[in-house]
Amino acid sequence: KQEVTQIPAALSVPEGENLVLNCSFTDSAIYNLQWFRQDPGKGLTSLLLIQSSQREQTSGRLNASLDKSSGRSTLYIAASQPGDSATYLCAVFTGGGNKLTFGTGTQLKVEL
Amino acid sequence: SAVISQKPSRDICQRGTSLTIQCQVDSQVTMMFWYRQQPGQSLTLIATANQGSEATYESGFVIDKFPISRPNLTFSTLTVSNMSPEDSSIYLCSVAAAGGSYNEQFFGPGTRLTVL
Repeated sequence: KQEVTQIPAALSVPEGENLVLNCSFTDSAIYNLQWFRQDPGKGLTSLLLIQSSQREQTSGRLNASLDKSSGRSTLYIAASQPGDSATYLCAVFTGGGNKLTFGTGTQLKVEL
Repeated sequence: SAVISQKPSRDICQRGTSLTIQCQVDSQVTMMFWYRQQPGQSLTLIATANQGSEATYESGFVIDKFPISRPNLTFSTLTVSNMSPEDSSIYLCSVAAAGGSYNEQFFGPGTRLTVL
């Protein structure tokens, strides 16, 4: 059974700081990994999708890497802003039912 | 990307009643998914809704409690039946982008349900 863990559970940083969020998964037989952002009480916004054959993806100030063999992914946020404050979720897609398994999330707060 | 809308956005319901949540997508998709997010928790898949066939439920979820309809390729409903306070959650629908099974998934804004 796939299990996804995110560290840290919560993070508070000053504006402008670069930061790294971590995601680990137990079964390396994944098809892709997706990072999402969730604002309080809202739905999910897709940030980045990394296919299993890829090592990283970039979008603006965000960079996500994937090390499939070790079961790890990182989300790097450059020059953080208060608007980045949200919960960040990673999810891995495994076969056998087109199923996304979600991590526990990292709650990020960027302070002025 | 797909644009997904859900109705209602939130509701407060009495114990023992049922609520039907609607999910509308702006393009035709093969598979739609329903998730539950309990307070302070991550997302858990309830079921996969395929057009023209019965929904596939995950372990711990049953059709009598969460009946699902999928009448066409752009619409689905999830009913939460005989509600109890433990059903208070955010319910989200999602779709996989066109072009294959392993592509990006997009989520609706969610329905925040409170059961008294």
